[in-house]
Amino acid sequence: NAGVMQNPRHLVRRRGQEARLRCSPVKGHSHVYWYRQLPEEGLKFMVYLQKENIIDESGMPKERFSAEFPKEGPSILRIQQVVRGDSAAYFCASSRQGMTGELFFGEGSRLTVL
Amino acid sequence: ELKVEQNPLFLSMQEGKNYTIYCNYSTTSDRLYWYRQDPGKSLESLFVLLSNGAVKQEGRLMASLDTKARLSTLHITAAVHDLSATYFCAVDKGQGGSEKLVFGKGTKLTVNP
Repeated sequence: NAGVMQNPRHLVRRRGQEARLRCSPVKGHSHVYWYRQLPEEGLKFMVYLQKENIIDESGMPKERFSAEFPKEGPSILRIQQVVRGDSAAYFCASSRQGMTGELFFGEGSRLTVL
Repeated sequence: ELKVEQNPLFLSMQEGKNYTIYCNYSTTSDRLYWYRQDPGKSLESLFVLLSNGAVKQEGRLMASLDTKARLSTLHITAAVHDLSATYFCAVDKGQGGSEKLVFGKGTKLTVNP
C-alpha cells in the first residue's frame, strides 16, 4: 500500500505568488492533517480535515492560508500571496477514521519563497 | 495551552554508550508519541504510548510514559551510528478520535564512532 503522498516535494515561489501543496492520504484513511515545520523546530499543527469538512483549523494563519479535502482527489493546502516567512516544510499526515493511534506522515513539501 | 518540552535539544554521544531523552508536557494527556526524523525526510513513528506506566522497546530504543509526572523518556542503549537522527515527542491535544499533536522541538542526536 502506498503511504501518504505529497507533491510537489520542493516548490520555489516569489513573494506574492500562490503555492498549492497536495496530499493524498493512505488508502482507507479519511482524516488528514497539515503541519508546518520551520528549520530546527518541531512540527506545528495547522488544520485537520475529513472529506469535505474542516474539523479544526485553529493552527491556520487567519489570512492567505486555506485547506480543503474534497470528496474526490487529494487534500490541498493553498497559500496565497506568499511571503518569506512562509518558507518551511509542510507535512501532511493521515489516520484511519475513529482509530486512536499514530499518524502516518508524508515526506513533506518544502516551500522556499524568494 | 499544552506545551511540550524536550531535553536535551542536542546530544552527541559515543557508540556503545547509553543515554536518555526526556519529554515533559504541561497538561493532562494519555497519549504520547515518539518519532524519528532523518535530515530532509519525513517522520517515522517509533512508539505510541497510550497509558500510564506504558513501556515499549524496539531494538536499542525503549520508551516509557508516566502520565502523573507528565513525563516520557526515550532511552538509548549501546548507541550505534545508525541512530543518528532527530527525535521528536508529541502529545495528543485533540478530542477522542483525532490526532492533533503538539510536538517538542526535537532532540538532535549524533552518535560518534
